[in-house]
Amino acid sequence: GAVVSQHPSRVICKSGTSVKIECRSLDFQATTMFWYRQFPKQSLMLMATSNEGSKATYEQGVEKDKFLINHASLTLSTLTVTSAHPEDSSFYICSAPPRTGGQPQHFGDGTRLSIL
Amino acid sequence: QKEVEQNSGPLSVPEGAIASLNCTYSDRGSQSFFWYRQYSGKSPELIMSIYSNGDKEDGRFTAQLNKASQYVSLLIRDSQPSDSATYLCAVNRAGTASKLTFGTGTRLQVTL
Repeated sequence: GAVVSQHPSRVICKSGTSVKIECRSLDFQATTMFWYRQFPKQSLMLMATSNEGSKATYEQGVEKDKFLINHASLTLSTLTVTSAHPEDSSFYICSAPPRTGGQPQHFGDGTRLSIL
Repeated sequence: QKEVEQNSGPLSVPEGAIASLNCTYSDRGSQSFFWYRQYSGKSPELIMSIYSNGDKEDGRFTAQLNKASQYVSLLIRDSQPSDSATYLCAVNRAGTASKLTFGTGTRLQVTL
């Protein structure tokens, strides 16, 4: 069964709306989680590393004020896309390393975000 | 130069044939290499991992790694229509055990 649960799977909303995506580790604690974004026909690009108990670390070029990450507990990380615009429409995927760290990561099912 | 390069395809092979997927990477410090399968609209699914030079076989899949050439490949034997998907090569970032860099993927089409 799934070890990482991501919710919602699909969001369609108007431009200017803020959207929250949740990523939960099931049956294990994840002090670190990763958020990726994938545009059509492109690769997964790491956006940020979510760290429980401390600030997220963002990849170069990713606006931290636009993509707010909160690692509220050892099993939950949230990504909020603030004031979303059509160019933010993408497939957002979270992942968590295994209990022992390293690899392989467990991926959530992804969230398809469509901004009208 | 991209950090992880793959031919985008599509690679078309007939059912029952061997599909060969290739990937090159630029960071010599990378130690962990992965092949993921991604169906359209779905998240990636791990197919193979390989950490040392040589071949690693798992069922119909064989991963090959050559660190000197910075090259990793995936062979799929007896290709099935259900193998039609995009195959992503991923490499860990040097100095980190968990962070991955993905290639853009190769789209495989297995024809009847």
